[in-house]
Parts: sequence; structure tokens; C-alpha cells
Amino acid sequence: GAVVSQHPSRVICKSGTSVKIECRSLDFQATTMFWYRQFPKKSLMLMATSNEGSKATYEQGVEKDKFLINHASLTLSTLTVTSAHPEDSSFYICSAIPRGVVNEQFFGPGTRLTVL
Amino acid sequence: QKEVEQDPGPLSVPEGAIVSLNCTYSNSAFQYFMWYRQYSRKGPELLMYTYSSGNKEDGRFTAQVDKSSKYISLFIRDSQPSDSATYLCAMSLNSGGSNYKLTFGKGTLLTVNP
Repeated sequence: GAVVSQHPSRVICKSGTSVKIECRSLDFQATTMFWYRQFPKKSLMLMATSNEGSKATYEQGVEKDKFLINHASLTLSTLTVTSAHPEDSSFYICSAIPRGVVNEQFFGPGTRLTVL
Repeated sequence: QKEVEQDPGPLSVPEGAIVSLNCTYSNSAFQYFMWYRQYSRKGPELLMYTYSSGNKEDGRFTAQVDKSSKYISLFIRDSQPSDSATYLCAMSLNSGGSNYKLTFGKGTLLTVNP
């Protein structure tokens, strides 16, 4: 099956620093990747849609200057949380749609971000 | 009113029980309905996918969609301890490509006791 990886799986950082999270499709090409965040006992909330070679589309209420997304290739998208604050602590999950597939997103294992 | 409502549980059942999980939604434009299973500290994995109203069966799992009532269900027969996880319903207006945005419920935490 299609495999999506994320790195790192867990990161702890100080307030004010920037953190980069990578999302890779290991065995397929993905023209579209999505970034979600998930708070404890809450839904996955879509943050942005990332398309290879173009700017990401952000959902309402998500600060694009704070959450920088770069979809540099058909197998890699990165999310950078800039000037992180404790309220940014969350579980960040990416998903990817394989080229040619219509009805399924494959999710990564998630990255746990803790900002001290 | 939230777009998708799902009772977070927790739900605890004995092994072999039939489990019923449900979601309601408010946006009648949703066309695609999914159930995902998420183990602790892992990403969701797709269990069932249904387009529009109707039933779909896959092994021990049955998904039902009633668009007139804006209500979807997932039934698990002969539940096993390995089914213990959080079950998330998700819905989409469109399929495919960058328009395939999913709206999730909160998830229901299920524990199947041996």
C-alpha cells in the first residue's frame, strides 16, 4: 500500500524557535498533500492544501506566515512552524493523494510538537 | 452547530460484541463519507468509503449512509481486542485532487475487552 512518512515523529522546542516537519510519500508520487493539526480529544483540522510547484492554499483562520508550507517535489512537503509558541503545541499530520487516485488520502504517522 | 458531530465516547465492549458508531452532519452537500481508524499516536487509516446513501460491507465492517437524515454509521461485527482504537468519521464535498478536503468528526475511542 501507499506509505507516507513524517519526520521527526516528536519534537520539543523552546518558545520563539522555528520547527520544520517533513512529509514524504515513500512509494508514490503525490501532486497534492494536506496538512492537519489535531488537539487532544478534538477533530483533525485541515490547515492547508499543498500542491507541488505552487503556493499552498490555507484554510480560514490559519496564518500562512506562521505555518510555512513548501511542496518542493512530488514526494516531499514541509511544514515550518515559525516563532513557535506553547499554543502551537499539537499533533501535526500530513496526508497525500497518489497521482491518479481519486478517493483516498494516505496519512502519515504524525508529528508531536511540544513548545516550552 | 458543528459541521460533523460524533460522540467521543469512550465506548467499552466485550470481545465478540457488535459495535455501532455514528456521526451526524449539517451540510447536505457532503457526497463522500469515510470511516478512519486511528491507533494511539498514529495517523488515520481508511476503513470504509461510501459515496452518497446506502450500505457497504467489507468483512466485519458495514458502513451505512442516510443522507435524508444526515446520519452515517459504522458497524463492527464480532469485535476483537485489535479493533481497539479511535474511529473517525470524515466527509467531503468532492473527490480527487486538491478539492478532496475532509471534514472530520472528533472520533470515538473504542476499547474491546478480551
